[in-house]
Order: sequence, then structure tokens, then C-alpha cells
Amino acid sequence: SAVISQKPSRDICQRGTSLTIQCQVDSQVTMMFWYRQQPGQSLTLIATANQGSEATYESGFVIDKFPISRPNLTFSTLTVSNMSPEDSSIYLCSVVRADTQYFGPGTRLTVL
Amino acid sequence: AQSVTQLDSHVSVSEGTPVLLRCNYSSSYSPSLFWYVQHPNKGLQLLLKYTSAATLVKGINGFEAEFKKSETSFHLTKPSAHMSDAAEYFCVVTTTSGTYKYIFGTGTRLKVLA
Repeated sequence: SAVISQKPSRDICQRGTSLTIQCQVDSQVTMMFWYRQQPGQSLTLIATANQGSEATYESGFVIDKFPISRPNLTFSTLTVSNMSPEDSSIYLCSVVRADTQYFGPGTRLTVL
Repeated sequence: AQSVTQLDSHVSVSEGTPVLLRCNYSSSYSPSLFWYVQHPNKGLQLLLKYTSAATLVKGINGFEAEFKKSETSFHLTKPSAHMSDAAEYFCVVTTTSGTYKYIFGTGTRLKVLA
């Protein structure tokens, strides 16, 4: 399995501001993933983050809005930029280990 | 391309009765299939996974699922529901090709009645 922590666990932000979410894994992994879960919805993959290279974004997500850093093999950040109420969601990071995906506890973001 | 369909958005059962959550998949490759559970205000927890070994997969908390290739199904069952089973359940499909594209179903909310 994998032990994943995220900070902050929740936040309430004003529109137009940015929030950076941190994800820490208990041991090194090649790929880390960022998902969004809008209220009452399933999970949608935002991007895949590899250490030492630019993140790969899914259709509908762009780097200017969701910049990602991956400075080492156990850590990643996702920034939600210029937020609007539509960005209110749970943001989850995940890793794959032994062909199984494990998830962090999530960051619950509310944008006013 | 892979896809997954959860046939019921909501399921209600009485405590002590069987649970059936339905999932159908589509995959061009040999799929890996997973069931995750998400309790209110909690993270996602892996219940069980199928990766081309035994077609009947046993998971945690008494859940199991059967991979049926002919029906392209991977339904989740439990003989006797417990109040603590009330949660959102997600069926997930991916390939074993190493691309790690996990496709999530829309989820089934399980309600357990006393």
C-alpha cells in the first residue's frame, strides 16, 4: 500500500486568489496523479506528474490554471489559480504501487 | 478505449440483506478492474481488484466481485449489509499496459436501512 498525506485538508478561499495543495508520499514513486471530484460527482483526472519533467494534462485542464510541481520522488504540489466558485471541489493526489492506485485523503476547497 | 458504467446511481438495502452493485466495462485490452469505497468526508479506500488471476475476487469487509468476460461485468456483492457499508462506491477500469489511465465510473451511493 501507500501512505499519502495532503495539506491543507480543507480551505475556504476568495475568488481570484490561488491555493497550493501539497501531497507527500511515504516512499518514492515515479508518477503522481492529481484528480478533481466536484460535489456529488466522480473523479476526473487533472494531470500526471513525473519527477524531472512537465506534467501531462488531460483534456480540459491547462497548466496556467493548474500548475503542478514535482521537485522529488515523494512530493508534488497542485496550484489552483485565479479561483472561481466553479473550482469548489475535492482535490486528491494519488500514486500507483504494484499496479494499484492509492489516494490521499483529499483537500476540500470552497471558493466564495 | 476503456470505459466503465455503473448501472445504478443509488441503491438502498435493509441491514442484513444482500448487496449488489453493478458495473459493466469496455476495454480494448485485458482490463484490470477495481472497486473503491468513499465514506462521507473520507478518502478513497481500495475494496478489491481483479488483474487476470482468479475471476472471483475477495476484498475487505466481506465484499467480493466476479469478473465475467462474456458479460463484460464486474459486479460487487456482499451477503449481508451492515450500517457501516453506507458509502459511495466506484468501479474503476484500467489497462495493464502501464499507462495508468484509471477510468472511474460515476459512482453508486449505497444506503443501508435499519
